[in-house]
Amino acid sequence: DTAVSQTPKYLVTQMGNDKSIKCEQNLGHDTMYWYKQDSKKFLKIMFSYNNKELIINETVPNRFSPKSPDKAHLNLHINSLELGDSAVYFCASSQTTGRTSSDTQYFGPGTRLTVL
Amino acid sequence: GNSVTQMEGPVTLSEEAFLTINCTYTATGYPSLFWYVQYPGEGLQLLLKATKADDKGSNKGFEATYRKETTSFHLEKGSVQVSDSAVYFCALSRSNDYKLSFGAGTTVTVRA
Repeated sequence: DTAVSQTPKYLVTQMGNDKSIKCEQNLGHDTMYWYKQDSKKFLKIMFSYNNKELIINETVPNRFSPKSPDKAHLNLHINSLELGDSAVYFCASSQTTGRTSSDTQYFGPGTRLTVL
Repeated sequence: GNSVTQMEGPVTLSEEAFLTINCTYTATGYPSLFWYVQYPGEGLQLLLKATKADDKGSNKGFEATYRKETTSFHLEKGSVQVSDSAVYFCALSRSNDYKLSFGAGTTVTVRA
């Protein structure tokens, strides 16, 4: 069983479109995350959710709207897609509340978004 | 703020060579330190971690020791295999951070 899954794996779309990426974890974790990996492989946190509540919004444009319907899911909706949004987006989850620095984060396989 | 600096790649090695990837960090307090690995086309996996000074993390022949005096967490492996070809990320997290702060990643290619 996949611990953290994302759909779709690949997403190709036109500028200006709206798209969503879904993430599900079956680990029973309390905290979920979205990271963006750019073309140079650099990884940066976008959002953190704990028990369905937003904890971190790391200066992400408001075209990006995360939604957590329950603890096991954290979806990412992107409005008015721009060329610069092309990247790989990773979902992750961790066991505890995030207050402990030693939490291991478990990552999904990533969604490669290409905006044309 | 938190930051992690890794040696730049790419690194190309022959099988059975010694691998070291340098990582230094800047953070207040006592962060936990991690090495994650990303194999081609996959997500990140935890390779090892250390949560306090002088701890040594180890896994799959890789080791790293948390050195607070030099703010470093260098990754080493004594004899690499082709299957170790991947991108390696050093990362840190502090209590109440709710995130990992990553280094830029180091691409390692091992040739047979």
